[in-house]
Amino acid sequence: EVQLVQSGAEVKKPGESLRISCQGSGYIFSNYWISWVRQMPGKGLEWMGRIGPKDSYTNYSPSFEGRVTISADKSLSTAYLQWSSLKASDTAIYYCARQYCSPPSCFLDFDYWGQGTLVSVSS
Amino acid sequence: QSALTQPASVSGSPGQSITISCTGSSSHVGGYTYVSWYLQYPGRAPKLLIHDVTNRPSGISSRISASKSGNTASLTISGLQAEDEADYYCSSYTSSSPLFLFGTGTKVTVL
Repeated sequence: EVQLVQSGAEVKKPGESLRISCQGSGYIFSNYWISWVRQMPGKGLEWMGRIGPKDSYTNYSPSFEGRVTISADKSLSTAYLQWSSLKASDTAIYYCARQYCSPPSCFLDFDYWGQGTLVSVSS
Repeated sequence: QSALTQPASVSGSPGQSITISCTGSSSHVGGYTYVSWYLQYPGRAPKLLIHDVTNRPSGISSRISASKSGNTASLTISGLQAEDEADYYCSSYTSSSPLFLFGTGTKVTVL
């Protein structure tokens, strides 16, 4: 069974650092990009960026580049999203989602999603 | 463009059909066959309904169908049921950055 299991909810203060995780199982981790998607309270989905686990190549949305870092440890089948200095406006649910890519075939839909990690930032 | 445009809400009675539109530009929706649709129940993760404009993954009801014309993609739910009440999002690959855009989201209400 394919699963993306994310780390638990976090409560942080502004200025603190944070890393959340997304562990894949039931499939070949290195054959899939992992994207991170933000959903602010009561709002829609926003694509933040993605990482290719084979080579750790990353793409970021301009809205998030420089604010977050996406990384992966393929030996642990885990992708990460981290902040060095959180802001209150980072309060949101963060989802990871996978996209198949084993060249020459790549699919651009997000076929499986993690359950989401709620990040709350407040002084 | 920061998001694809969807109607904020669509409603219908049980058994009826509804259609949700997703409007972008030739840089994304109109230029590629990489449009997908997602269903999200409150408090739950999104779920893939449609990929590559018209294709249903296995396990998705045949009441769900989708199409595209020009810069607008559409999702149709026929034989509306109570379980269809949820939020729906479209998504498209883009030719620039960001690589992917989501729609603004549509809340479907079953009357």
